[in-house]
Amino acid sequence: DAKTTQPPSMDCAEGRAANLPCNHSTISGNEYVYWYRQIHSQGPQYIIHGLKNNETNEMASLIITEDRKSSTLILPHATLRDTAVYYCIVRVRSARQLTFGSGTQLTVLP
Amino acid sequence: AAGVIQSPRHLIKEKRETATLKCYPIPRHDTVYWYQQGPGQDPQFLISFYEKMQSDKGSIPDRFSAQQFSDYHSELNMSSLELGDSALYFCASSGPLGSTDTQYFGPGTRLTVL
Repeated sequence: DAKTTQPPSMDCAEGRAANLPCNHSTISGNEYVYWYRQIHSQGPQYIIHGLKNNETNEMASLIITEDRKSSTLILPHATLRDTAVYYCIVRVRSARQLTFGSGTQLTVLP
Repeated sequence: AAGVIQSPRHLIKEKRETATLKCYPIPRHDTVYWYQQGPGQDPQFLISFYEKMQSDKGSIPDRFSAQQFSDYHSELNMSSLELGDSALYFCASSGPLGSTDTQYFGPGTRLTVL
């Protein structure tokens, strides 16, 4: 699986949009971008995934650049409960494992 | 919606003892994954099962073994426990091939080895 690079930490004001970047410059054509988050010591929570088109669900939006070398997870109105470590993972759909990197610690400030 | 169930949620063992962790996947999910997360670390893949057969193996110690049963639940057996085995152990499950293959995680079992 391609390697991902994320900033180690970010802050966001409550009610504002949180934009979390991820670089995956070595991504190959059949690899998907997945986002998970982990709220302190809880099980990782699936957020969203995409291949090349932008995706949106009830939790977040995923913007993937046209060359697919980077992506941005957008939480439109961050709340205190969104404070967590956010993991960007690149994975071939048929791969049986997720490879977690260091992730981004997002802190939502009141 | 039903989620992945893990038991026990907390487990305390002595060195050299054995431990068994259980995982009950989301209904109709046929693939189970085990991950280990040490203190201050990111989750690391241990092993996975698809249709009761081992499908992938990660950094799982030889002292650990796992299996998936006919009802798709899985058990992780850990023997000769060491202090370094103290960690959170997560189980995840995913649906049949051809579906999204998205993995959904359980709440984890916190194992403490004294």
